[in-house]
Amino acid sequence: DVVMTQSPLSLPVTLGQPASISCRSSQSLVYSDGNTYLNWFQQRPGQSPRRLIYKVFNRDSGVPDRFSGSGSGTDFTLKISRVEAEDVGIYYCMQGTHRPPTFGQGTKVEFK
Amino acid sequence: QMQLVQSGPEVRKPGTSVKVSCKASAFTYSSSAMQWVRQARGQRLEWIGWIVVGSGDTNYAQKFQERVTITRDMSKSTTYMDLTSLRSEDTAVYYCVADWTAWGQGTLVTVSS
Repeated sequence: DVVMTQSPLSLPVTLGQPASISCRSSQSLVYSDGNTYLNWFQQRPGQSPRRLIYKVFNRDSGVPDRFSGSGSGTDFTLKISRVEAEDVGIYYCMQGTHRPPTFGQGTKVEFK
Repeated sequence: QMQLVQSGPEVRKPGTSVKVSCKASAFTYSSSAMQWVRQARGQRLEWIGWIVVGSGDTNYAQKFQERVTITRDMSKSTTYMDLTSLRSEDTAVYYCVADWTAWGQGTLVTVSS
C-alpha cells in the first residue's frame, strides 16, 4: 500500500497568520490518465471529515479561497493563507491513485 | 448535495458480526460510489471498501477481504456494511462516504467481551 506521511503532526497557529501542511507519498500519485488523485480533508472537533481539495489543487464547493493545494509527484502541500478560528481541527491528505486509497496520519491544527 | 444518515452505535462481543446502514437522501444515489472508512481512536482514517451503486460492483481492502460485505438496496437508497468475526481492534467509528464529498455522521462500533 502507498504510505502517506504528513508533517508536522501538530501545528500551533496564530489567528490571521499563514499555515502550511506537507504530505509525502511513498510512490508517485500520477495516474495513467494523467491526473493526480490527491485529496485534502478537514475534520473539525466532533464532526465527520469533509473534503477541501481534490486532485491536488481543486477546491470543493463552499471551501474558502484561503485554502490552497499544490504539489506534484510525491510531494504535496496544503496552505491556509490566513488562519481563522473555524480552521481548528485535524487535516488529512489522502491518495486515490493506487488501490487501496490511503490516508496520512493527520495534522492537528490548534491555536498557540 | 447528498446527505447520509447512518444507523446508531453498536456493541458486539468478539467473534460476532455487525451490520451498519447508511441511508442517502438525494436523487443522485444510483449514480454514486459509496465508500466505507473507519477511524479507530487516535488512528488515521482507514479505507474498508466501496460499492458502485448502479452496478453493485464492489472492491475491498485486502485486510478486510474475508470479513466484509458491502451491499446496497436501491429502492431504499441505503448502503450496508457487514463486518464479521469481530475483534477488539475493530472498535472504531465507521463512516460511509459518497463520492468522497458527503460523509455520514459516523457509527461507533464497540467490540468488547
